[in-house]
Amino acid sequence: DAGVIQSPRHEVTEMGQEVTLRCKPISGHNSLFWYRQTMMRGLELLIYFNNNVPIDDSGMPEDRFSAKMPNASFSTLKIQPSEPRDSAVYFCASSWEGADQPQHFGDGTRLSIL
Amino acid sequence: QKEVEQNSGPLSVPEGAIASLNCTYSDRGSQSFFWYRQYSGKSPELIMSIYSNGDKEDGRFTAQLNKASQYVSLLIRDSQPSDSATYLCAVRDSSYKLIFGSGTRLLVRP
Repeated sequence: DAGVIQSPRHEVTEMGQEVTLRCKPISGHNSLFWYRQTMMRGLELLIYFNNNVPIDDSGMPEDRFSAKMPNASFSTLKIQPSEPRDSAVYFCASSWEGADQPQHFGDGTRLSIL
Repeated sequence: QKEVEQNSGPLSVPEGAIASLNCTYSDRGSQSFFWYRQYSGKSPELIMSIYSNGDKEDGRFTAQLNKASQYVSLLIRDSQPSDSATYLCAVRDSSYKLIFGSGTRLLVRP
């Protein structure tokens, strides 16, 4: 079975550029999560979608960050304009809805903003 | 502020020993508890879930939950060098959110 698929795996770009991260959740999962992981702050939840609808974006750090889920099999996280402090590993995770359902993570995108 | 606390380690154990990893959480309404393993440079991988008080065993892994004490632990029996990783405790709170601890780094010495 295919897991959560993220692209690109690595992204290096200069500050000020637009960055788009992509995620394909596990087929049939109806909840999707974007996380950011840094050494200093650990894993932080950025935004949560349920049935393609954003439920909670309180973790999105600034207006420079935006996320969309146009259909059940695709989501994007966009940073515009990017800054060096956005450098981190960004993970997408998906799950079935339900308190007992674990989240399954993609391989992540390692983002470096120069 | 809902919190999940873990000792950052490193926890160093010899090969073949039992590794004991601990986690406490602040939200009494928490419903579900998960342990993830994360190798360096890799993504978190689910290894155990537990929902009710007591022990749950899966191979060399045992998860223990005590809701009264707001405490969850992971025991790894017969530890192997390949178990060396960071172990993340994750707690689903009274809403939907999965709150992650900062992780405990485990080092199994050959």
